[in-house]
Amino acid sequence: DVKVTQSSRYLVKRTGEKVFLECVQDMDHENMFWYRQDPGLGLRLIYFSYDVKMKEKGDIPEGYSVSREKKERFSLILESASTNQTSMYLCASRTGGGSGYTFGSGTRLTVV
Amino acid sequence: AQTVTQSQPEMSVQEAETVTLSCTYDTSESDYYLFWYKQPPSRQMILVIRQEAYKQQNATENRFSVNFQKAAKSFSLKISDSQLGDAAMYFCAYRKGGGSNYKLTFGKGTLLTVNP
Repeated sequence: DVKVTQSSRYLVKRTGEKVFLECVQDMDHENMFWYRQDPGLGLRLIYFSYDVKMKEKGDIPEGYSVSREKKERFSLILESASTNQTSMYLCASRTGGGSGYTFGSGTRLTVV
Repeated sequence: AQTVTQSQPEMSVQEAETVTLSCTYDTSESDYYLFWYKQPPSRQMILVIRQEAYKQQNATENRFSVNFQKAAKSFSLKISDSQLGDAAMYFCAYRKGGGSNYKLTFGKGTLLTVNP
């Protein structure tokens, strides 16, 4: 069965810390995505990548960066965590064509 | 920019009854895909059903079916014979077609409660 794995289910970090959220997929998918989910706002795209070392900004990239050094791994980086980045973060991947996404089970990040 | 609107923040249904969740979208594209995703309390997003815009026939998956009205830009999800396990947040999503590097745009979600 295909899998997208997010390294942490829950994470608590302090304001100003550099935070890494890791996502690994085992499906050889080209495209990978990071979304942020907040109540009443749905899912909003932070960054996505369509190939190794390639990245594109989504709708809310401010305060975030990403890294994709290998096809299977896509990392989201909070350069200096702030309390307004407390949220649920969802990683997803997909192959080409009209397929949907496969999602990870999310990381609930709390910044204190 | 494409937008997806789910006008019902919350819905409830009795077990074994039928419920319809609404979704409208805005796009100038003719080639696109529409999706319904389910997110139960476990947080795992699950693809429920998918519709290609060029197909006139409405997609169905067991108890789940859609009413796709392309001219009206409407894409509603009907759940028949509702079960307790259907309780979840449901998200409608849109993706442009014609290429592989296009993102999914989501609505804000509808929280479905199933009453026994």
